[in-house]
Parts: sequence; C-alpha cells; structure tokens
Amino acid sequence: EVQLVESGGGLVRPGGSLKVSCAAAGFTFRGAPIHWVRQAPGKGLEWLGRIKRTGDGYVTAYAASVEGRFAISRDDSENKAYLQMNSLKSEDTAVYYCSRLGDHDTLDIWGRGTMVTVSS
Amino acid sequence: DILMTQSPLSLPVSPGEPASISCRSTRSLLHSNGKNYLHWYLQKPGQSPQLLIYLASNRASGVPDRFSGSGSDTDFTLRIARVEAEDVGLYYCMQALQLPVTFGGGTKVEIK
Repeated sequence: EVQLVESGGGLVRPGGSLKVSCAAAGFTFRGAPIHWVRQAPGKGLEWLGRIKRTGDGYVTAYAASVEGRFAISRDDSENKAYLQMNSLKSEDTAVYYCSRLGDHDTLDIWGRGTMVTVSS
Repeated sequence: DILMTQSPLSLPVSPGEPASISCRSTRSLLHSNGKNYLHWYLQKPGQSPQLLIYLASNRASGVPDRFSGSGSDTDFTLRIARVEAEDVGLYYCMQALQLPVTFGGGTKVEIK
C-alpha cells in the first residue's frame, strides 16, 4: 500500500526543538520530492517547505515563516524524511503532514499527520 | 507570494443539490506549457487532505464524476453536481506554479 506515516509529535516548551519523521512505503521514495504542510487547530493548510529527490541534489526550500528555524532532510536508505524544528513558538502548534509531490506537481499522497503542541 | 482566495467560507447544501466553490489567485496560474497549476483538495472530518482535481479540470483517480473543475489564469471553480453526505468537509484550492506553494483559506461544505 502506498502510504506516508508521520511520527514524533508531542508537547514541547517554547524555545525548544523537535524532530518529526515521515516514513514512506509502497513507492520509490528516493524518486519523490517530499513536502511538509501544517494545519493549526481550526485553521487552514500552510505549506512549510520541501526537499527534492537525490537526482535534483536534495535541494530544500522553505516558507518565510519557518526559514532559519526549520530544516528538512531525508534518508533514502531508510525511506524517511524529517522535519527538524527549532526555536519553537506557540504559533507552531499544529498537525504536521508530509506529502509526496506526484505527477502534475500535485501533493498526491498525504500522511495522517502528527500533532505538535508548543506550550509551557 | 501568490495569494489564493476562496469563496464562500461556508456552504450549506441540501443533499442532491449542486454546489460551487470559487478560487481566485493574485497571479495567473497558466504555465507556458498551457497548463494551469491549480489543484483542489477535500479534507474530510478527522482526515488528511485528498486530491480531487488536478491542473484545474482533471479528476484524480477514484474521484466521482459529480466533481468537476474549471477555469484558467486567475479564476477557478469547483462544482459538485449533486452533493452527497460523504462530500462534507473542507475544500481547498492550491497553486503549484511557484514556491511557496499556497492554499486558499478553505470552504466548509455541510449538509443542510
């Protein structure tokens, strides 16, 4: 089955760090750019960033709201992508989704998300 | 950044009735290859988003034919020919022409 599964969310204090993971199955992970999107409680979808595939040099790009605080990486040997989040703020509280960039530049596969709560 | 604006915010619909959602962008989403990089997603309650329509007017695999998309450049529409109970949720448009990827604010479709 083609799927993405996020993990690693939890409660973290303001100013703290957290690394969430995205495990892929059922498709050729190394050939797929991976994007991260979040959704704050009761709010809409916010794109965070992406990492290209190995053939494109693993180039990353980020939203201005997280540039310099968040970093995306991947380990193709483990079929996993990661989102490292530093200097967390209360407004980073959200469900974090990873998604595959598929044909026609669609985000065609989404995980179920992992909840990150930033609170003291 | 390309700003995406959806309307209405909320759309109560009776079963079997049609529904229409508008999405406008601040920049043309028409690529030089002739394709509009505008996609539609449905997020059902408690679930992650799922792709409905890609490149403005193409139904994704498994999407019922009561869903259709139209439009070009900066003005797009998602139509549901006859709303069913399983169609409730949040609908989002998304532009993939350029980074950052941006989403509309969402339209909540609910059954009257």
